[in-house]
Amino acid sequence: DAMVIQNPRYQVTQFGKPVTLSCSQTLNHNVMYWYQQKSSQAPKLLFHYYDKDFNNEADTPDNFQSRRPNTSFCFLDIRSPGLGDAAMYLCATSRELTASTAVTQPQHFGDGTRLSIL
Amino acid sequence: AQSVTQPDIHITVSEGASLELRCNYSYGATPYLFWYVQSPGQGLQLLLKYFSGDTLVQGIKGFEAEFKRSQSSFNLRKPSVHWSDAAEYFCAVGGYNTDKLIFGTGTRLQVFP
Repeated sequence: DAMVIQNPRYQVTQFGKPVTLSCSQTLNHNVMYWYQQKSSQAPKLLFHYYDKDFNNEADTPDNFQSRRPNTSFCFLDIRSPGLGDAAMYLCATSRELTASTAVTQPQHFGDGTRLSIL
Repeated sequence: AQSVTQPDIHITVSEGASLELRCNYSYGATPYLFWYVQSPGQGLQLLLKYFSGDTLVQGIKGFEAEFKRSQSSFNLRKPSVHWSDAAEYFCAVGGYNTDKLIFGTGTRLQVFP
C-alpha cells in the first residue's frame, strides 16, 4: 500500500544534541509537510515543500531546518533541541495540481515520531 | 481571520449512541472542509472532505458530515458509535490559493461500553 513512513517512531535525544527525523512516501506526492503536535493540541505547521520549493512558517524557530533531497524523502533537523521541543512530529503529503493555483488537497499523514529530550 | 472552532474539548458517549461533533469555521473564501481522526500514538487519518456539491458527505467508518454555509458549520455525525471510535477528532479548513490546512483544536471522544 502507498503510504507515508516516519522513522523512528520514538526518538530520545539530549538537550542541545542535534537530531534528525525522517519521512518517506510512496504516494509520489509533490507536497510534503512537517507538523509539530504537543499533547492535546492541534498539529502546528512548521514548513512545507512544494516540489523543491521550501515554505517556512513565520513563527517556526530557526532551530528547525528541513531538507528534501528527492520527491520521496524529507528530513526534519533540530539543531539544538530544547525541552520545549519535546513533541510528536508528523509528516504529511498531498498532491497539488499546480503551484500557481493551489487548492487545498487532502493530506496523508504518517504515524509520527515522538521526540523526547533528556 | 481564518480559523476553525471546535467548541467541545471532550465528549463522552455510550457505545451504540449517536454522535455529533461540532465544527465552525471562519474563512474568507469558498472553504474546503475536512475531518480527521487521530488514535493515540498515531497520525491523522482523513474521515471525509467537502469541496462542493451535495452538502451531506459520507466518509469512512460510517461517519458523515453536513456543510451548512449559513451557519459556517461542518458538523460530524455517526448514528451509532463503536468503542473503536474513541479518538481525537480534528476539523480543518483550506481553500483556493493555499495548500495549507487550518486545524481546530480537536475534540476528544470517549466511548463507554
